[in-house]
Amino acid sequence: GENVEQHPSTLSVQEGDSAVIKCTYSDSASNYFPWYKQELGKRPQLIIDIRSNVGEKKDQRIAVTLNKTAKHFSLHITETQPEDSAVYFCAAPTNFGNEKLTFGTGTRLTIIP
Amino acid sequence: NAGVTQTPKFQVLKTGQSMTLQCAQDMNHEYMSWYRQDPGMGLRLIHYSVGAGITDQGEVPNGYNVSRSTTEDFPLRLLSAAPSQTSVYFCASSTGVRNTGELFFGEGSRLTVL
Repeated sequence: GENVEQHPSTLSVQEGDSAVIKCTYSDSASNYFPWYKQELGKRPQLIIDIRSNVGEKKDQRIAVTLNKTAKHFSLHITETQPEDSAVYFCAAPTNFGNEKLTFGTGTRLTIIP
Repeated sequence: NAGVTQTPKFQVLKTGQSMTLQCAQDMNHEYMSWYRQDPGMGLRLIHYSVGAGITDQGEVPNGYNVSRSTTEDFPLRLLSAAPSQTSVYFCASSTGVRNTGELFFGEGSRLTVL
């Protein structure tokens, strides 16, 4: 099945600085790459996703980049704010079918005021 | 819309007991799934359904059963609870990757097996 590796597991950045989280995947047929944010004690929620026909997608302070050749994708958060503190998960479809997502192990992002 | 509703939110079981986690969605989503979340291990897929009457196994199916008799409901059954099943369980639904792909999660069910 799909293997998704996510780094780093923890990340602390000063408020206003940028944060980058990286994920690699194993199945070259994967074509959909979402990122979920989970605040403490809450459910995961989709924040951004990208499909394999584009290399980058932005939504205000959040962007995702995809390198299909290297099989990795990254989440970029600029001008970080305290409310960005959360656990972030990347995911990719398994080779059993695109509806089954394999999640990374998560990155705990802490924004230091 | 209520979205995805899970019950119960908290449950304590003894080893060997059985129970059912309920999940219902009111968005007419075809796809429903169950994940478990353990510290440092992310979200792992337990079982999955592409529509009423159709289910499939995920990464960690052992010890769990599911059924999908209606589009709305997707209960998860623990047959004989073990301490290794202590976890937070999330139900999710979506219209599928071929559409928006977004998973809508329930609030989670925290299960402790003693």
